[in-house]
Amino acid sequence: ELKVEQNPLFLSMQEGKNYTIYCNYSTTSDRLYWYRQDPGKSLESLFVLLSNGAVKQEGRLMASLDTKARLSTLHITAAVHDLSATYFCAVDFGNEKLTFGTGTRLTIIP
Amino acid sequence: KAGVTQTPRYLIKTRGQQVTLSCSPISGHRSVSWYQQTPGQGLQFLFEYFSETQRNKGNFPGRFSGRQFSNSRSEMNVSTLELGDSALYLCASSLRGLAGTDTQYFGPGTRLTVL
Repeated sequence: ELKVEQNPLFLSMQEGKNYTIYCNYSTTSDRLYWYRQDPGKSLESLFVLLSNGAVKQEGRLMASLDTKARLSTLHITAAVHDLSATYFCAVDFGNEKLTFGTGTRLTIIP
Repeated sequence: KAGVTQTPRYLIKTRGQQVTLSCSPISGHRSVSWYQQTPGQGLQFLFEYFSETQRNKGNFPGRFSGRQFSNSRSEMNVSTLELGDSALYLCASSLRGLAGTDTQYFGPGTRLTVL
């Protein structure tokens, strides 16, 4: 079965702290995507990771992909309130469909 | 550049009715994908259209169908609505679609409520 799991599902963190969201997937893939969704809004593309060892960074967010471990991480550095949102990873298992993770609801508290 | 637009934004229907949702992609984008988002099942892929052809389909019953026009605008149709079809329906456009590993740009969604 093609599965994508994220953890944690809920994350409440203080401003200024660092944390990591994990995305595990069930079988081989070298195409992984990260999205952000604000409440009541649509999805915004954050990163596209297309090879083993790929690392992308934008502001306080950094994503990486380890295809051998079937793991992607989204690292948040020195969190600020504006980063509060739900973050999704999605995997293309070679079938040209996106299988999404459950999402991680991130709340940044002062 | 205008983003992806979806109409209508909100829709209320009753069981047994049918509904048509519309998606206009970013100019120049030839791929349109549709997704269903519900609290219980999360985000699920419905289908992808590229140059008026359905290129891929998710695991949804035949009540869910779609099409794409020559200007890349896409519609999806749900017939014989069920309560479980209540969801946010998102479309996304890209230049070449998932086959090309492009970034997908999502529209604001259509919130469908089935009573």
